[in-house]
Amino acid sequence: KNQVEQSPQSLIILEGKNCTLQCNYTVSPFSNLRWYKQDTGRGPVSLTIMTFSENTKSNGRYTATLDADTKQSSLHITASQLSDSASYICVAVTGANSKLTFGKGITLSVRP
Amino acid sequence: NAGVMQNPRHLVRRRGQEARLRCSPMKGHSHVYWYRQLPEEGLKFMVYLQKENIIDESGMPKERFSAEFPKEGPSILRIQQVVRGDSAAYFCASSPRGPGAEEKLFFGSGTQLSVL
Repeated sequence: KNQVEQSPQSLIILEGKNCTLQCNYTVSPFSNLRWYKQDTGRGPVSLTIMTFSENTKSNGRYTATLDADTKQSSLHITASQLSDSASYICVAVTGANSKLTFGKGITLSVRP
Repeated sequence: NAGVMQNPRHLVRRRGQEARLRCSPMKGHSHVYWYRQLPEEGLKFMVYLQKENIIDESGMPKERFSAEFPKEGPSILRIQQVVRGDSAAYFCASSPRGPGAEEKLFFGSGTQLSVL
């Protein structure tokens, strides 16, 4: 069964600090791993897409890593801002039909 | 270029009524996907449509739910005889091409359906 597990469930950090969000996935066959940001009351917005041959990808202050051997990914946020407060969703995509399996998301709160 | 537009943003229905959710994809996008998000849960795939065709409806309940994407106009997700368990956020996404290894999906802001 295709699954995506994320941890921690929620996280509170102070503005300016860094943080790392974790994702473990089990999908077969694996195609790519995505991170989305979802603001409250809005739809998810794509941050990064990584195939199995990529082990790191950056998008501004967001850096995603992928270890296809251990089936783990992380999203590192540098110098957090108040606007980073959102849910961060890890998504694993199967290679067979490009089906997306979503994690439940990690709720990040950045406090001043 | 407007993003994916969904309406209404909020929809309240009583049990047994019908709910119609609309999605206008981004300009130039002919592929539409519907997802459902229950509280504290991840998004779950429901159906994938291309203009006038249902490509994959494996995630959509066989009864009471239907979807269409006509040649002209928005995609419609229709729920007949709604029950309390249908209360959820329904998201639509679109893409210019079909599912591909790195095909990016663009999501709308969702419709929050509440069934009383």
